[in-house]
Amino acid sequence: GDSVTQMEGPVTLSEEAFLTINCTYTATGYPSLFWYVQYPGEGLQLLLKATKADDKGSNKGFEATYRKETTSFHLEKGSVQVSDSAVYFCALSDRGGSEKLVFGKGTKLTVNP
Amino acid sequence: NAGVTQTPKFQVLKTGQSMTLQCAQDMNHNSMYWYRQDPGMGLRLIYYSASEGTTDKGEVPNGYNVSRLNKREFSLRLESAAPSQTSVYFCANMGDGLETQYFGPGTRLLVL
Repeated sequence: GDSVTQMEGPVTLSEEAFLTINCTYTATGYPSLFWYVQYPGEGLQLLLKATKADDKGSNKGFEATYRKETTSFHLEKGSVQVSDSAVYFCALSDRGGSEKLVFGKGTKLTVNP
Repeated sequence: NAGVTQTPKFQVLKTGQSMTLQCAQDMNHNSMYWYRQDPGMGLRLIYYSASEGTTDKGEVPNGYNVSRLNKREFSLRLESAAPSQTSVYFCANMGDGLETQYFGPGTRLLVL
């Protein structure tokens, strides 16, 4: 079945450092890809998404590009802030009509001042 | 506009007790979901409902039952709680064709 693999954390960075969180996927069809973020004590919320190959999703300074050739959707941010400390989840949408998401295990990011 | 709400926020149960986790939405979305989140395991789908009156099993349905009596509410029931069900439970919804799920704030459940 479809699956998502993302880099294990935790990741600890200093403020203004560059962030990359790797995500690769396995899917039989042509899924949409997502990054969700979970701030401490809260539910998940959508950070960005891409629906087809070579699409770039972006939001709040974060970016990710849908790479079909490498089945990847890596999350990047050029300069992280303390407020970016959260758990980040990569996910894919099964477009086969089941309307379900498949999530990676999450990567915890801590940004120190 | 509350979005997706969950009650209670936190609950402690003894092994063998039963309880129902409530989820409600005011977004008029057809699909609703129950997940559990455990350290190192990510989110795992317990049950989902594509529309009012229909429910389907997810990845980890054992020990749980659900009820979708109307479009707005989707409840999760633990008939006989076990320590392995200690987790954080999230409800979510999704509109048709939108591919974006909206999550509630979660219910922390501790089973002793």
